[in-house]
Amino acid sequence: AAGVIQSPRHLIKEKRETATLKCYPIPRHDTVYWYQQGPGQDPQFLISFYEKMQSDKGSIPDRFSAQQFSDYHSELNMSSLELGDSALYFCASSSTVFRGDEQFFGPGTRLTVL
Amino acid sequence: KQEVTQIPAALSVPEGENLVLNCSFTDSAIYNLQWFRQDPGKGLTSLLLIQSSQREQTSGRLNASLDKSSGRSTLYIAASQPGDSATYLCAVGHLSSNTGKLIFGQGTTLQVKP
Repeated sequence: AAGVIQSPRHLIKEKRETATLKCYPIPRHDTVYWYQQGPGQDPQFLISFYEKMQSDKGSIPDRFSAQQFSDYHSELNMSSLELGDSALYFCASSSTVFRGDEQFFGPGTRLTVL
Repeated sequence: KQEVTQIPAALSVPEGENLVLNCSFTDSAIYNLQWFRQDPGKGLTSLLLIQSSQREQTSGRLNASLDKSSGRSTLYIAASQPGDSATYLCAVGHLSSNTGKLIFGQGTTLQVKP
């Protein structure tokens, strides 16, 4: 069965640079969630999209922005990177924005900021 | 504010033992609870999803129960194997959210010794 695809899997950037993370949800899933997991931490919700519209926002810095495209893939853009942005970034998808639906997670993108 | 706690933080057992992982949440107003497995540096694999109206779910050697009124869930692993070694995370979907974002516990790291 098709799973959530994230690219790249690993990314190394310098401070103050920009990074773009991509997420391709499971086919026919219209909802995408982004989570950030710092070293030794639990995943924290960043932002979600349903039908190409932002549906919820969590602890996402103003330096980060995201969008969902017509084919339902999503991109997380991170600017002015800081050392503290080093983390594992997960994308998850579900078949509807309504509560109760199972979320399926991608393998994550490991971002290292030097 | 919903908080999710997992006890113990780490657990080491000999192969073949049955074991229980605990998850507690401070606000019983949830619509579902999901258990995940995470291998070191890897993504999140969904193990079981329990809707708020359900009491338990089973998959193979895994059984998860939910007591919403007391704010507790347990993950029971029968006849543990070395391949079960991983971090187990529980996450709840809170009714205050209209969009399904998950709030995670910090996980229990399980080691099963051969």
